[in-house]
Amino acid sequence: NAGVTQTPKFQVLKTGQSMTLQCAQDMNHEYMSWYRQDPGMGLRLIHYSVGAGITDQGEVPNGYNVSRSTTEDFPLRLLSAAPSQTSVYFCASSYSQAVPSGNTIYFGEGSWLTVV
Amino acid sequence: GNSVTQMEGPVTLSEEAFLTINCTYTATGYPSLFWYVQYPGEGLQLLLKATKADDKGSNKGFEATYRKETTSFHLEKGSVQVSDSAVYFCALSVGSYQLTFGKGTKLSVIP
Repeated sequence: NAGVTQTPKFQVLKTGQSMTLQCAQDMNHEYMSWYRQDPGMGLRLIHYSVGAGITDQGEVPNGYNVSRSTTEDFPLRLLSAAPSQTSVYFCASSYSQAVPSGNTIYFGEGSWLTVV
Repeated sequence: GNSVTQMEGPVTLSEEAFLTINCTYTATGYPSLFWYVQYPGEGLQLLLKATKADDKGSNKGFEATYRKETTSFHLEKGSVQVSDSAVYFCALSVGSYQLTFGKGTKLSVIP
């Protein structure tokens, strides 16, 4: 009953360092995405994927890369961390768009990232 | 574009008080509407949803009705408990699984 699993839960980076936030889901969902949550801003979409090998940009993609080599995994890479990327990151997944809209979107528990 | 506006917080209520958190939206197309809840230190959980006009979503004593005429999806609960203290997010999606979120409303319930 794992659902959406994110690692690590907490991370402190120095400016300029790189890291990867991992996300895995075991529900065979086609759709996966990454959001960031900032105080007073709600959640904003960073990148998303509609299936293995297919990714696209969301609202705030700059400074982040993604890839989707398998259905299960959707890692988010920070190539050169900046203090502006201090945030809480959420991975999410859902079934195919082919079924009626309003499908439940499942979120991971979040990754708290601090860039100093 | 799509947007969600929800009432500013924080909201502080006494236990057993009535709760309303207002949410209005603008959307290109016909959205599905959601309320998500985030308890302290945890991720987001779907609280309830509605996919068409006049639908009422309900869960754990919370309710929200999809009002197309007023483009609203207000969250209500008749009697809040301390355990309801959390941040509540209104959100929408139009024809896809991508969500547009409001800024969140923090609710604190005191005994």
